[in-house]
Amino acid sequence: EVHLVQSGAEVKQPGESLTISCQGSGYSFSTYSIGWVRQTPGTGLQWMGRVDPYDSHPNYSPSFEGHVTMSADKTLSTAFLQWKSLRSSDSGVYYCTRMDGHSSENWGQGTLVTVSS
Amino acid sequence: DIVLTQSPVSLPVTPGEPASISCRSSQSLLHSNGIDYLDWYVQKPGQSPQLLIYLGSSRASGVPDRFSVSGSGTDFTLKISRVAAEDVGVFYCMQTLQLPLTFGGGTRVDIK
Repeated sequence: EVHLVQSGAEVKQPGESLTISCQGSGYSFSTYSIGWVRQTPGTGLQWMGRVDPYDSHPNYSPSFEGHVTMSADKTLSTAFLQWKSLRSSDSGVYYCTRMDGHSSENWGQGTLVTVSS
Repeated sequence: DIVLTQSPVSLPVTPGEPASISCRSSQSLLHSNGIDYLDWYVQKPGQSPQLLIYLGSSRASGVPDRFSVSGSGTDFTLKISRVAAEDVGVFYCMQTLQLPLTFGGGTRVDIK
């Protein structure tokens, strides 16, 4: 059975850095891209981009490019989403997904990120 | 970016009755291979979204056959033949034709 397990909730201040993770199991991690989706009350679901675990190559949505970094370590079966400098507008729930083609077949449980001074 | 518009925003339903949700796209989602690149997801209360329908009309594993999709190109309708109490949640359409992938605004389904 496929499982995506994400790291726990985070509370950060604006300007701080953060990395959240998503560990896959029950399938060949290198074979499927990991996507990231943000959910906020104001903007609903937003697709942020995806990373290919085979070579850690990312594709970013223009709305997030330059502000986040997506990577993956296939030896750990884990994908990462990183911010160097958080903004209050980064607050939300972040989901990782196992992508089959462009469809998100499996979803992690979500990581709540709160950015507040 | 492709914009998806869902309606209604809120849909009160009666168990056993049918229900429909519309999703309209700013561009055709019909690929030259004849497949519509549209998915549907449902987010049940307190849960992560889950895949319901992919590539236009294919039901994901374990999805009951009371869920179906009609339409092609820019206009799609998710149909629930007989709503069950467990169908409560927010339904989203998502286009998978081109990057960046985009979601509709969601339709909240609850029991009357």
